[in-house]
Amino acid sequence: DADVTQTPRNRITKTGKRIMLECSQTKGHDRMYWYRQDPGLGLRLIYYSFDVKDINKGEISDGYSVSRQAQAKFSLSLESAIPNQTALYFCAARATNTGELFFGEGSRLTVL
Amino acid sequence: QKEVEQNSGPLSVPEGAIASLNCTYSDRVSQSFFWYRQYSGKSPELIMSIYSNGDKEDGRFTAQLNKASQYVSLLIRDSQPSDSATYLCALTQPDFGNEKLTFGTGTRLTIIP
Repeated sequence: DADVTQTPRNRITKTGKRIMLECSQTKGHDRMYWYRQDPGLGLRLIYYSFDVKDINKGEISDGYSVSRQAQAKFSLSLESAIPNQTALYFCAARATNTGELFFGEGSRLTVL
Repeated sequence: QKEVEQNSGPLSVPEGAIASLNCTYSDRVSQSFFWYRQYSGKSPELIMSIYSNGDKEDGRFTAQLNKASQYVSLLIRDSQPSDSATYLCALTQPDFGNEKLTFGTGTRLTIIP
């Protein structure tokens, strides 16, 4: 079983729709992250959380919101999706002792 | 200046040769450094971490860190076609009592059989 699981893996939606991407992890790591990846731009941090009820903005948080419902769950929402939010989204959990990031398999979102 | 800079490539290396990937960074207080490998369409996976100046070896991989010159590199010996991937450099920086993890844009490596 994957340590970090993302759903859905693929989603096509229309401009203006609300979208939620969900992430859960089985390793008990406190720190969780949401990144988006675009060709030529690498991984850019959207939001991160160091514990339940701890939410921090990353470099590109505008247009996104997150919820850390439990230690194991960290969801990303697009309240009103727009085409330039079309991207590959990764959730990750970070081991405190080694600093290693464990990534989910990614959620490919297309906004028409 | 970007916080983490990598040559985007593509970098082409013959099979069996040494592949050398480089990463420079701007913040002198960067603390921990990581190399991730990402195959096309897949998620990144950690291959090396390094925290202090010098070399760290793990099998065919060697990470080199020079904090004075603000660069970190990854050497892959005896390159194999399976090493063809994008390699992402990442580092941690203090951020107002927290710790920020920043990625470079990655270098695409192609091993030529």
